[in-house]
Amino acid sequence: NAGVTQTPKFQVLKTGQSMTLQCAQDMNHNSMYWYRQDPGMGLRLIYYSASEGTTDKGEVPNGYNVSRLNKREFSLRLESAAPSQTSVYFCASSQGLSPKNIQYFGAGTRLSVL
Amino acid sequence: AQTVTQSQPEMSVQEAETVTLSCTYDTSESDYYLFWYKQPPSRQMILVIRQEAYKQQNATENRFSVNFQKAAKSFSLKISDSQLGDAAMYFCAYRSPFNAGNMLTFGGGTRLMVKP
Repeated sequence: NAGVTQTPKFQVLKTGQSMTLQCAQDMNHNSMYWYRQDPGMGLRLIYYSASEGTTDKGEVPNGYNVSRLNKREFSLRLESAAPSQTSVYFCASSQGLSPKNIQYFGAGTRLSVL
Repeated sequence: AQTVTQSQPEMSVQEAETVTLSCTYDTSESDYYLFWYKQPPSRQMILVIRQEAYKQQNATENRFSVNFQKAAKSFSLKISDSQLGDAAMYFCAYRSPFNAGNMLTFGGGTRLMVKP
């Protein structure tokens, strides 16, 4: 019962470096999401994918790109990391975009940008 | 834009007792869902309970129940018979069809400590 799997769990980057956060779900969900959580705050939506082949901006998309590789996988890329992107990143998935659908979360990736 | 406010940064409860976590939200919409998520030290976000705005009956899940007051825009979580495993951050969240990606809007969280 893997659910939503994120890799890596931890990462340290230098300013200007790039990296891709990976996310995969095995629940055959149509919709996937990337959130960030800053200290003492709730999660904020970065990007989402309503279904395979579509992606859209959320609340805080600047500095990020995403790819919905297939129905299972949704990656988040930082092209040129900045200290302001130090955060914990969560991937989530749900059956669809409808608010009644529960979002299931991965365990998060803790990213530090020095 | 909707906002979700949790006014209690930290709460403490004695094991086996009852605790209530507060949440208020601001919206002009009538159709929405409310959620409580638990985040233990492992960081995993776990759904505790959810409430549909058009349902007047308060949701319950075992030891967890909510007090949903739609007119007051209040959505509190009551944990009965508290257990050590209930210690975690608790986030109240709002979701509606009118936000980008029907995204969850989270409050700032309440850290719950359970004393043995």
